[in-house]
Amino acid sequence: ETGVTQSPTHLIKTRGQQVTLRCSSQSGHNTVSWYQQALGQGPQFIFQYYREEENGRGNFPPRFSGLQFPNYSSELNVNALELDDSALYLCASSLRASQETQYFGPGTRLLVL
Amino acid sequence: AQTVTQSQPEMSVQEAETVTLSCTYDTSESDYYLFWYKQPPSRQMILVIRQEAYKQQNATENRFSVNFQKAAKSFSLKISDSQLGDAAMYFCAYRSGTGANNLFFGTGTRLTVIP
Repeated sequence: ETGVTQSPTHLIKTRGQQVTLRCSSQSGHNTVSWYQQALGQGPQFIFQYYREEENGRGNFPPRFSGLQFPNYSSELNVNALELDDSALYLCASSLRASQETQYFGPGTRLLVL
Repeated sequence: AQTVTQSQPEMSVQEAETVTLSCTYDTSESDYYLFWYKQPPSRQMILVIRQEAYKQQNATENRFSVNFQKAAKSFSLKISDSQLGDAAMYFCAYRSGTGANNLFFGTGTRLTVIP
C-alpha cells in the first residue's frame, strides 16, 4: 500500500508569482484535503476534493484553487503569491465513503520572498 | 465554527514516565470525531489515536490512551512509558460527523522527552 506523497518538498518563490503543489493520495482513497500550516501553528483547512469536485472550502481567498484528477491525485494552485503564503502545505487523503481517518503526506515547504 | 484549544504550548517528561496532554473543544454537534496527531521534525503528520464521540469507552493504542469527557468537551492524551521517539509536536483535532470531513486543529503542544 502506497502512502500519501507530495512534490516538491521545498520551493522558493517571489511575491506575485504562481505556484503549483502536487499530491498523490493513498491507494484506494478518493478524497484529498489540503491544509496550510504556518510556522508555530496548527494546520488550517484550505479545501477538499471528492471525486474531482470541490467538497468544502475553508477561509481562503479565490487565488487558492485546486484540481483533482481521475486517479484522485490533486494539485493546489496559488496565484499572486504573498509573503504570508509562506508555510508548510499538507495534503491528506481519506476514503470518504466510510468517513475514515485522514492520512497526511510529508508536506511542501513554500517560502515566498 | 468549531474551535480546538491546547493550553500547553510545551511539556516535558522523563523517559519511561507518563505525561498527559490537554485538549478542549467547542461544538454544538453531537456527532463528531476527535484525533491526536503527532508531527515529528520530519513534518509528516502521523495519526496517534482516534475517538468517536458516540463511544463512551476511551480509545487506547498501546502506550497511548485518551480521557474523553464529552460533557466537559475535554479530550486529553496520556502517553505511558515515554520513549525518546515520542518527542514531537502533538496536535488535537476535531472533525464533524456530518458534511465535509475536514479537520479543525489546535495550536499544538511540543513534547520533550528527557533521557
